[in-house]
Amino acid sequence: GAVVSQHPSWVICKSGTSVKIECRSLDFQATTMFWYRQFPKQSLMLMATSNEGSKATYEQGVEKDKFLINHASLTLSTLTVTSAHPEDSSFYICSAANRDQVNIQYFGAGTRLSVL
Amino acid sequence: AQTVTQSQPEMSVQEAETVTLSCTYDTSESNYYLFWYKQPPSRQMILVIRQEAYKQQNATENRFSVNFQKAAKSFSLKISDSQLGDTAMYFCAFMKLFYGGATNKLIFGTGTLLAVQP
Repeated sequence: GAVVSQHPSWVICKSGTSVKIECRSLDFQATTMFWYRQFPKQSLMLMATSNEGSKATYEQGVEKDKFLINHASLTLSTLTVTSAHPEDSSFYICSAANRDQVNIQYFGAGTRLSVL
Repeated sequence: AQTVTQSQPEMSVQEAETVTLSCTYDTSESNYYLFWYKQPPSRQMILVIRQEAYKQQNATENRFSVNFQKAAKSFSLKISDSQLGDTAMYFCAFMKLFYGGATNKLIFGTGTLLAVQP
């Protein structure tokens, strides 16, 4: 149980285009989802917290208009990188919390974004 | 604000030996959770072990155990009988207890890269 699916696992796009990353909780309802960014050999940096049916709460320094987060259902959250540029190239990871076990986050496998 | 510090960027251990990874944290909260997550080369984050701050007993999960010293704000991970599959980046993480049924964010340390040598 507690499986989180993240798609795609790797995406390459041209500079200026937008990319959408999906995060799904497969066997539980996720009241809260989190989006992280990880640079090579570094720790996870929280970008935003997403509660179902509410606007996402962004961490300081994260551009809301650049990284659009939608959490329209209890099993799906999406992160859209708008007008991507090479500096947006990174590893993006989502996590989800089961409403029955609020103190545990289950992670997706991550998405590697490469912007050319 | 809470901080998590892992002072060992890299460690190495021989297969079947025991290794201890260090983690300290700073908080003014009294109720919180502490975690160790493992990130192997696949980059999938895997929960290794967790500890509730109100519990004095140290958590154990098979070969993994913690030494939780609340007063010292220390939370070390001991891996016994190390296996090649334990090779990974290990992150210590802190979560403030959030009342109301929601989940609070994780604050991660910088990680310790553990290499298990054959």
